[in-house]
Amino acid sequence: RKEVEQDPGPFNVPEGATVAFNCTYSNSASQSFFWYRQDCRKEPKLLMSVYSSGNEDGRFTAQLNRASQYISLLIRDSKLSDSATYLCVVNMGFGNEKLTFGTGTRLTIIP
Amino acid sequence: DAGVTQSPTHLIKTRGQQVTLRCSPKSGHDTVSWYQQALGQGPQFIFQYYEEEERQRGNFPDRFSGHQFPNYSSELNVNALLLGDSALYLCASSFLLAGGGETQYFGPGTRLLVL
Repeated sequence: RKEVEQDPGPFNVPEGATVAFNCTYSNSASQSFFWYRQDCRKEPKLLMSVYSSGNEDGRFTAQLNRASQYISLLIRDSKLSDSATYLCVVNMGFGNEKLTFGTGTRLTIIP
Repeated sequence: DAGVTQSPTHLIKTRGQQVTLRCSPKSGHDTVSWYQQALGQGPQFIFQYYEEEERQRGNFPDRFSGHQFPNYSSELNVNALLLGDSALYLCASSFLLAGGGETQYFGPGTRLLVL
């Protein structure tokens, strides 16, 4: 079983729609969780950290369910510029140990 | 404030050759991690350097080695290149704090093609 599992997509979503991504992780001792965004042929960039209480940043909302070992990302009112690959990332330590990435979910926003 | 820089941006090698990739961390960062990203996959952790020593290592063979210099910059060396080593090699820097660290920031990567 992969340490971090994501649906690779692709997700093709009309502009303005709401889209949700899910991710599961296998190691219950994992401590910190992130969503990274990666544009084509570019480096991953941190989109947001994920907390048990849930967190929101503008149109983006992330949730963590430790009991189910499940992480989600919700994008509301999607924009063309949201087209990218979204990587679910898990860390055993509090930020500085190795990052374990999922394979990524590819999102394309259609005009 | 310069971010993470990597060189070269692209590289073409043949099987059996050796390659050295370089990374300069973001200003103020002291820890460098290296990742390999094959096409269509997420990045895979190779190793991490702090205080000029390898602090953690992923599931990569000994052909992959590294070094960190006193100015915190780092090199990744790969010997006896295989076709399967073709990938985007990403460097990430961070600042190691007691009890936890900051977010890792990625450089633009070096795209290696092995023929």
